Amino acid sequence: AQSVTQLDSQVPVFEEAPVELRCNYSSSVSVYLFWYVQYPNQGLQLLLKYLSGSTLVKGINGFEAEFNKSQTSFHLRKPSVHISDTAEYFCAVTLGGDSGGYQKVTFGIGTKLQVIP
Amino acid sequence: GAVVSQHPSRVICKSGTSVKIECRSLDFQATTMFWYRQFPKQSLMLMATSNEGSKATYEQGVEKDKFLINHASLTLSTLTVTSAHPEDSSFYICSARGQSEQYFGPGTRLTVT
Repeated sequence: AQSVTQLDSQVPVFEEAPVELRCNYSSSVSVYLFWYVQYPNQGLQLLLKYLSGSTLVKGINGFEAEFNKSQTSFHLRKPSVHISDTAEYFCAVTLGGDSGGYQKVTFGIGTKLQVIP
Repeated sequence: GAVVSQHPSRVICKSGTSVKIECRSLDFQATTMFWYRQFPKQSLMLMATSNEGSKATYEQGVEKDKFLINHASLTLSTLTVTSAHPEDSSFYICSARGQSEQYFGPGTRLTVT
């Protein structure tokens, strides 16, 4: 079974500074990887996903992530954060292949990004 | 992208009553939907997989008689929390299966008093 580890439960960062939210996964088979954002009392919004191909994935709101198979990591980055980026971020994994959407999604515990003015 | 809605967004009920939460795929057909619950400051935990026209598959530790799931059409799955208790208070989120990802609803906040 696959698993996800988000190494930081909270990350405070000053506005306009860069940020990296870390995510490591474990799986014995190929996986799809996702980052979701959740604002208070709301559902999940997909930021970006890695299915295959280029290891650098660009998402919405200026976020990007890099898939590193050797380090089993999928860290999320943004070069300059805004106050509006304050939210909870979840890394998630599911089995890869043609049936990726059919499979159970395993979520990390989440990282709370707090942008300080 | 695909849109999934949930109704209601918030519900407060008394202990012992039942509550039904609807999950709809608005612009696509979803043969499979998933139900998650999220406790405060915690991650999402899969409760069950809902398949249109068949019985739901529940995760270990989830009481199927308490959390009734019905997936009667290709665009609607319902979760009924029966005989709700305060410990059932949580944020319930559904998702619908796409080809390579799942599309999540906005969630339903259930408070049992």
